[in-house]
Amino acid sequence: QVQLQESGPGLVKPSQTLSLTCTVSGASVKSSTYYWTWIRQPPGKGLEWIGFVYFTGTTKYNSSLKSRVSISVDTSKNHFSLKLNSVTAADTALYYCVRETYSNSRWFDTWGQGTLVTVSS
Amino acid sequence: NFMLTQPHSVSESPGKTISISCTRSIGSIASNYVQWYQQRPGNSPTAVIYEDYRRPSGVPDRFSASIDSSSNSASLTISGLQPEDEADYYCQSYDSDNRVFGGGTKLTVL
Repeated sequence: QVQLQESGPGLVKPSQTLSLTCTVSGASVKSSTYYWTWIRQPPGKGLEWIGFVYFTGTTKYNSSLKSRVSISVDTSKNHFSLKLNSVTAADTALYYCVRETYSNSRWFDTWGQGTLVTVSS
Repeated sequence: NFMLTQPHSVSESPGKTISISCTRSIGSIASNYVQWYQQRPGNSPTAVIYEDYRRPSGVPDRFSASIDSSSNSASLTISGLQPEDEADYYCQSYDSDNRVFGGGTKLTVL
């Protein structure tokens, strides 16, 4: 059974960097058939795709966040990470790490439970 | 970038059938597969439909979906509504550079 678990600080000060890690169990981040993805959801609002990393290190990001975001993968630890810099209150959200199937289509087949990150001084 | 537009909310009684639409703003709805995710209160989203109409293992056949090129939209249909179907539903599609979600539809089972 594949499980994804987010970890990281729940409170970040404005202008600082948000850093989260997603630990994957039951699957390998070195698999060629998945993208490892971050998605967020502000309180009471909808889902926003942040971006993904492939096991090779290839990344793609939401154009609205591209200048502030970095996603990386550590195959030796079987985890991947998100960094979002220069955060503001608008970045307060539930952050999900998600596995995206990379095959005939692109769909999110496994989700973590999410971790709430609040941006506040 | 394209957008996906969904109705904000829909409500119906148990046992009835509802449909939720998802309209693509730019480009053909048929050019990339559409997925649907269910998010019950307090839970992570889970897929109920992928590749336009396929159901992941464990999703009941009360859930079905289709695409309509004439209206450039996708639809999720839930028949025989159950109280546990009450949730937010999101459509999702993609292109080579982006993954896009609709704004979500809140389904209330009266």
